[in-house]
Order: sequence, then structure tokens, then C-alpha cells
Amino acid sequence: AQSVTQPDIHITVSEGASLELRCNYSYGATPYLFWYVQSPGQGLQLLLKYFSGDTLVQGIKGFEAEFKRSQSSFNLRKPSVHWSDAAEYFCAVGANTDKLIFGTGTRLQVFP
Amino acid sequence: GAVVSQHPSWVICKSGTSVKIECRSLDFQATTMFWYRQFPKQSLMLMATSNEGSKATYEQGVEKDKFLINHASLTLSTLTVTSAHPEDSSFYICSARDQGTGLEEQYFGPGTRLTVT
Repeated sequence: AQSVTQPDIHITVSEGASLELRCNYSYGATPYLFWYVQSPGQGLQLLLKYFSGDTLVQGIKGFEAEFKRSQSSFNLRKPSVHWSDAAEYFCAVGANTDKLIFGTGTRLQVFP
Repeated sequence: GAVVSQHPSWVICKSGTSVKIECRSLDFQATTMFWYRQFPKQSLMLMATSNEGSKATYEQGVEKDKFLINHASLTLSTLTVTSAHPEDSSFYICSARDQGTGLEEQYFGPGTRLTVT
């Protein structure tokens, strides 16, 4: 069955610390992979996506993610977190950009 | 660019009534729109996909007679929850895609919180 797992429901980091949000997927073929961020009152915003090619993808706001086929993972990273990064983060997978399967999300809290 | 709006942002209705939620693409033509439902602390679940001028395609388990979707123009799609019941209370999110950009990316609206009393 196709699924996305985000093992961490809630993560708390200090401002300036590094961040890694985990995402594992189960999919029958090479998927399209996405990370979205959701802030209160705003729609989901695409941080980055992987379709093919270089497995390390750069996104907006200083985020990056690495596709590891052997581990079925697409973890999101940021070297130095800012207070404005506090939000809900969703990993998603799909055969294309239409039918996306979302994970349950990871809520990031940033302490000053 | 690529802004999607939803109206209303929140709505409370009585059980048995119908409520309409609008989704608009403000600065691009949305050839395809998607409707999602999000329960608290859960992921977004795709309800249906609609292409402008065509009938919506519903995901398995979604009642098409209960959740009426209309995509009559390239900038507007509506979701009508008919004969709403408390279990329909949820956060409804739409997204839109413009095939013409070649980016094939979904742009999401801010969501509508529906509470059925």
C-alpha cells in the first residue's frame, strides 16, 4: 500500500540549531516527493520537490532534502533554524503532481 | 503569484443544512482543482479532483452526492456539503494547478473550517 510516514509528531529545537525532519514512504514506483509547510491561516507552501536527477534538492527558505532510494526516505534538513520556521511540515508522495499522499505532519516549535 | 483563496475561512452551520465553499485562483488559470479534507492532527486526504468543465473524479469512499463539486470556470471551484452532519465537521482545503505553466505544481488555499452543530 502507498503511504507516507512522518515518525515525529512534534519537534522542538532552539533557534540557530540544525533541523532534520524525517519522512519515509512506501510506493510501488519511483515517486515524486514533496515537502510542504503549513502556517496557521495560510495554505500549504511548497518548500521543495524531487522528481529525478540529483538526489539532494535545494528549496526555499534555506531548506534541503535528500532522496535515499535504499532507505525509502526523503528527510528535510536546515542547518540553522529561525523562529519563523515554526509551523507544520508535511511530506507528500505521488506518481505525478496530481494524487498526492500526505504524511500526518510534524509540528516544529522553535525556542529562542 | 500563484495565489489561491478560499471563502469562507470558517463556517458554522446546523445539522441538515448545506454549505458552499469557494476556491478561487487569483492570478492564474486553474485547469485542475483538488479538494482535500484534513482532520485534527491528521494528514490531508484527497477527496476529489476536478477539471474545468468536467465532472469531478471522487476518491474511493467519498460520497459524490454529499460533496458536490463544481468547476465551472478556470478560476473558481465550489464544494457544497449537502445535508451536513456533525461528522462532516473538518478542515477543507483546495488546491489548484495550471497545466499551462509546465510547473505541474499544486497551489493550496488557506482552508475552510466547517463546524456542523
